[in-house]
Amino acid sequence: GDSVTQMEGPVTLSEEAFLTINCTYTATGYPSLFWYVQYPGEGLQLLLKATKADDKGSNKGFEATYRKETTSFHLEKGSVQVSDSAVYFCALTRFAGGTSYGKLTFGQGTILTVHP
Amino acid sequence: ETGVTQSPTHLIKTRGQQVTLRCSSQSGHNTVSWYQQALGQGPQFIFQYYREEENGRGNFPPRFSGLQFPNYSSELNVNALELDDSALYLCASSLGGRGSYEQYFGPGTRLTVT
Repeated sequence: GDSVTQMEGPVTLSEEAFLTINCTYTATGYPSLFWYVQYPGEGLQLLLKATKADDKGSNKGFEATYRKETTSFHLEKGSVQVSDSAVYFCALTRFAGGTSYGKLTFGQGTILTVHP
Repeated sequence: ETGVTQSPTHLIKTRGQQVTLRCSSQSGHNTVSWYQQALGQGPQFIFQYYREEENGRGNFPPRFSGLQFPNYSSELNVNALELDDSALYLCASSLGGRGSYEQYFGPGTRLTVT
């Protein structure tokens, strides 16, 4: 079945440091890939997405490139802020046939803490 | 545009009891998915409803059941609660159809089973 593996955390950085959170996936066909962010006590917010190989998703200074040859979708940001402290989830979905996309499959999440 | 809303926010139940959680989908969305997020874990897919029909189910026992109403709001019912059912339950809505791969999440319902 489909699966997503994220780098183990937690990740602790100083403000303005460079961030990389690794994500690799296993799926048949051509999944769409996502990064979601979860702030303390809240639900999930879609951060960025990519729907085909070599697409680059970007939002709020975060970027991730869909690499089919390495089945990866690593999240990067050039200069993190304290406000970026949250849990980050990599996820995928595939068209389930019929008329609707099916489930999202999530990684286990990576806790990011940014210190001033 | 109204986002996804869930009720209640928090809930405490006793083992063996039954619980109903509610979700209102984002305006214009006809698909609702439910996820269980245990502490420190990623969300796990429970099931999805598309136009009032179940459209896929994850590895959860039959005591987890659901409904979708004509206005596309949804309920998640859990019977015979177990301690391991303690989790954050997330509802997500999407547009449905071939181009609608984005799911938008509500704030969740925190269920504690004692």
